[in-house]
Amino acid sequence: EAQVTQNPRYLITVTGKKLTVTCSQNMNHEYMSWYRQDPGLGLRQIYYSMNVEVTDKGDVPEGYKVSRKEKRNFPLILESPSPNQTSLYFCASSIRNGPYEQYFGPGTRLTVT
Amino acid sequence: DAKTTQPPSMDCAEGRAANLPCNHSTISGNEYVYWYRQIHSQGPQYIIHGLKNNETNEMASLIITEDRKSSTLILPHATLRDTAVYYCIVRAIYNQGGKLIFGQGTELSVKP
Repeated sequence: EAQVTQNPRYLITVTGKKLTVTCSQNMNHEYMSWYRQDPGLGLRQIYYSMNVEVTDKGDVPEGYKVSRKEKRNFPLILESPSPNQTSLYFCASSIRNGPYEQYFGPGTRLTVT
Repeated sequence: DAKTTQPPSMDCAEGRAANLPCNHSTISGNEYVYWYRQIHSQGPQYIIHGLKNNETNEMASLIITEDRKSSTLILPHATLRDTAVYYCIVRAIYNQGGKLIFGQGTELSVKP
């Protein structure tokens, strides 16, 4: 089954404790992206990747890092999480950037205390 | 990417067609109309997209007016599982970052 998976689905952590949210897709997609969703602000893009080893900042990249060493995986790294990063995070992928549908993961709900 | 306007909420009776409107009066020639939906904090789900012509797939139909300034998403036989927030998104063929800009959407409630 074609899908985007994220782990963990739920995470409660403390300020400053490094964490990684994994994202994996099984569709051989070139394009992957991370969004965060907050009430009243909609979905905002954090980082995106056009292909392996090609990543770039989205609209709200501060406090986040990403890597794309393999085509299928696009982890989101929070080196020193802060409470303002409490949010619902979604990973998405598509065959490439262009007029194609994007597949979204199920989401990761992160709480930073 | 052009801005879209949707009604904040709509109701529909189960089994009836749900017609969700979207206004995108500033759309330009290289911009597609996409529809996604989000069921209660799950990941957004792609429904359909089109450029000029009407489109149909197993989930829905997309009707785009001739001047492309508005469109309607049609769910032909709505079920309770179609209750969700529906987002109309206008996006250039290639945009910086490939991002989708989700507005406020229309909250569709399908009632028995």
